[in-house]
Amino acid sequence: GAGVSQSPSNKVTEKGKDVELRCDPISGHTALYWYRQSLGQGLEFLIYFQGNSAPDKSGLPSDRFSAERTGGSVSTLTIQRTQQEDSAVYLCASSLQGFSTDTQYFGPGTRLTVL
Amino acid sequence: AQSVTQLDSHVSVSEGTPVLLRCNYSSSYSPSLFWYVQHPNKGLQLLLKYTSAATLVKGINGFEAEFKKSETSFHLTKPSAHMSDAAEYFCVVSEEMDSSYKLIFGSGTRLLVRP
Repeated sequence: GAGVSQSPSNKVTEKGKDVELRCDPISGHTALYWYRQSLGQGLEFLIYFQGNSAPDKSGLPSDRFSAERTGGSVSTLTIQRTQQEDSAVYLCASSLQGFSTDTQYFGPGTRLTVL
Repeated sequence: AQSVTQLDSHVSVSEGTPVLLRCNYSSSYSPSLFWYVQHPNKGLQLLLKYTSAATLVKGINGFEAEFKKSETSFHLTKPSAHMSDAAEYFCVVSEEMDSSYKLIFGSGTRLLVRP
């Protein structure tokens, strides 16, 4: 079956521009997560959605970062006024219910480069 | 807060020899632990997970891991390395806090397989 998909696969932008990253989770998965993978910081949690609600936004690094999820499905991560330190691979994952024992299935990621 | 420590940043083995990737965890309660693999320019793939059932967990591609509470360890092993095993491996703990569920990643171990 279809896995988690993300678009675009690569995004190059200029410092100060806004970007939107999209995630399509596995159909029927109620939980959705965003992570960031960078050379300096490794893999770090950004935000968790259960349905359309985000009970945990604790990993968002600044107020320039926001995310939403609509229809319990697609999610968009928006970064405003991008900075060079935002350059990273942004990974989306989904799981069936969001329990700690659930397997999180990851998408291929969006590589963001801020010039 | 929970955490995992991967004791080796790089491991090099010859093809056909055993693989051992070491991981120690810190948790105030019985954790859910995972090993994920990331091949170059590919997404994260689940190898195996421990969720308080059998302490010896078998995963895909001949990998297995043993949960040892007394040693707070969850080391990943494989009897015989294959060239296709060359990748980065992440030990991961699932954290549940205030109705939020997130994965906490170790820093990763890069496995090199020599012919």
